Amino acid sequence: AQSVTQLGSHVSVSEGALVLLRCNYSSSVPPYLFWYVQYPNQGLQLLLKYTSAATLVKGINGFEAEFKKSETSFHLTKPSAHMSDAAEYFCAVRDTGRRALTFGSGTRLQVQP
Amino acid sequence: DAGITQSPRYKITETGRQVTLMCHQTWSHSYMFWYRQDLGHGLRLIYYSAAADITDKGEVPDGYVVSRSKTENFPLTLESATRSQTSVYFCASSESGTARNYGYTFGSGTRLTVV
Repeated sequence: AQSVTQLGSHVSVSEGALVLLRCNYSSSVPPYLFWYVQYPNQGLQLLLKYTSAATLVKGINGFEAEFKKSETSFHLTKPSAHMSDAAEYFCAVRDTGRRALTFGSGTRLQVQP
Repeated sequence: DAGITQSPRYKITETGRQVTLMCHQTWSHSYMFWYRQDLGHGLRLIYYSAAADITDKGEVPDGYVVSRSKTENFPLTLESATRSQTSVYFCASSESGTARNYGYTFGSGTRLTVV
């Protein structure tokens, strides 16, 4: 079964600093990987997804993620944090059998002024 | 406007009562899912459905029942609510098709409190 692990339940950065949110996956088959963002009291919004095309995936709001098979990682980055980026971020992998997403436990991003 | 709608948005119920959470999507997506979100656990899959009349258990199905008589609706029922079922519940749908087109769309959630 596929799974993902998000390292760091809370990450705090200064406005304008680099954002790096870590996600490692476990999968016996080529994975399909996703990053979602959740703002307070809202649903989940897709940031980006990797489906075995380009290893560097660009998403919305200036975020991108790089698929690294050798490191089994799919870390999310943004060059310069904005206050509006404060939210919870979830990494997920698609379960090939059930077609469902399996989520990590989430990382709460705090952006300091 | 097309989308995925969950109702109610908020619900408070008493222990032992039956409660049904509704999910409706307008895209005719084949796959639908129910997740619960709890602090420290992310989202965990309760049940999923590949098509009308086809449902199966996820990671945490105990205490829940689903049905899918129509493609667009996927209600989740708590047969006898317990405090441990206090959570935020999300419904999602997914289009079928080639892998590169996979998309999952989530509803706004139902915040359920069992007292």
